[in-house]
Parts: sequence; C-alpha cells; structure tokens
Amino acid sequence: RKEVEQDPGPFNVPEGATVAFNCTYSNSASQSFFWYRQDCRKEPKLLMSVYSSGNEDGRFTAQLNRASQYISLLIRDSKLSDSATYLCVVRNTGTASKLTFGTGTRLQVTL
Amino acid sequence: DVKVTQSSRYLVKRTGEKVFLECVQDMDHENMFWYRQDPGLGLRLIYFSYDVKMKEKGDIPEGYSVSREKKERFSLILESASTNQTSMYLCASTSGGGYEQYFGPGTRLTVT
Repeated sequence: RKEVEQDPGPFNVPEGATVAFNCTYSNSASQSFFWYRQDCRKEPKLLMSVYSSGNEDGRFTAQLNRASQYISLLIRDSKLSDSATYLCVVRNTGTASKLTFGTGTRLQVTL
Repeated sequence: DVKVTQSSRYLVKRTGEKVFLECVQDMDHENMFWYRQDPGLGLRLIYFSYDVKMKEKGDIPEGYSVSREKKERFSLILESASTNQTSMYLCASTSGGGYEQYFGPGTRLTVT
C-alpha cells in the first residue's frame, strides 16, 4: 500500500465550479501535511500547509482528519489558471525535512 | 527568492555511461534532496543530505550515488546509466527546521 494515496484524475471542471480532492495517508505517526502544486513540465511548489483546525487561503481550503487519516483540498470558483497537478504531501515524525509525496491529482479547468 | 538551479534541462546519455547531475542552491539551506519523477509513480526520493559530506539513502538509492562537498551543491551520480534510469530528476532544498522544499526546474534524462 502506498504511504500517500490520491485519485489521479483528471478532474475536468468548468470555470467557476467548486472542486474537492482527497488524499489518504497510511502512517498514523505522520506529523505535518501539505498540498503542493505542479504545473505541466514545471517543478512542484508549496500551495499550502494543512492544519488540524482547517485553514483557508483565498479560494483554497485545506482540511485534515487525523482519525480517518485523510486530507482534503477544496477549490472554489475555479479559474483556468488552477489547471495543474495537486500533490498531497506528508512529513513523518523524526524524519527532519524529509517529505513523502502522493502521485498527484490532475485538475483541468475549462471554459 | 530562493533559487535552485540544475545543470541541464535535457540530457541524453548512452547505456553504461557515467552521468553527473548537478544542483546548486543559493539560500544557505542545510538540507538537499534528489528525487526522480515518473508517470504513475510520482516523486520518489533517491538520496538526501542534511549537511556537507553527510548523505542518507532515500527510498530508491540503487544505481545512484551522491556527493556534497560544499553546502550549496549536491550532485547525483549514475555510475553506469541504464535505460530504466530514464526519468525526470528533481533537486530540492530546505532549511534545517523548514518543511517547504524548493525545487529546481528538473533534468529530463534519457538513457538510450
């Protein structure tokens, strides 16, 4: 079983739609959680951290459910520029800055 | 802005060749990482380094070695390239207590 699992998609949504991605992780000792964004043929970049209380950054909301070991990302009012692959990322206890990446969920926003 | 640079964007090598991939960061970061990214498999950690001359194996170190002689530079070495090492190679860095990894633009390596 992969340590971090995501639906690969693609999710094809019209502009203005709300879309949600989920991710599950297998290691209950996982300590920190993030969403990274990767545009086509580009490097991954941090989108946002995920906190237990949930957090919001503009149109993006991230939530963590430790009991069920899943993380979600909600994008409201989708823009064409949101088209990218979204990577779910976890950091486990005692591994310093080492991260484990999911394989990513591809989002395509269309007119 | 943090900048992580990689020596080549595209590289074509022959089976059996020794290949060097170079990564340089300009933010005095302690930790540096080498990943490969393949369709359906995502980013997989090859090696990482948390200090000069220190290195640790990641999840898929076989067939690779690394060198970190200076803090800003982390090299990935393929001792004898094979076709199954055809991939996108990404370097990243982060500060000692940090969690945001800053990635270089990647090197697409093709081994023929």
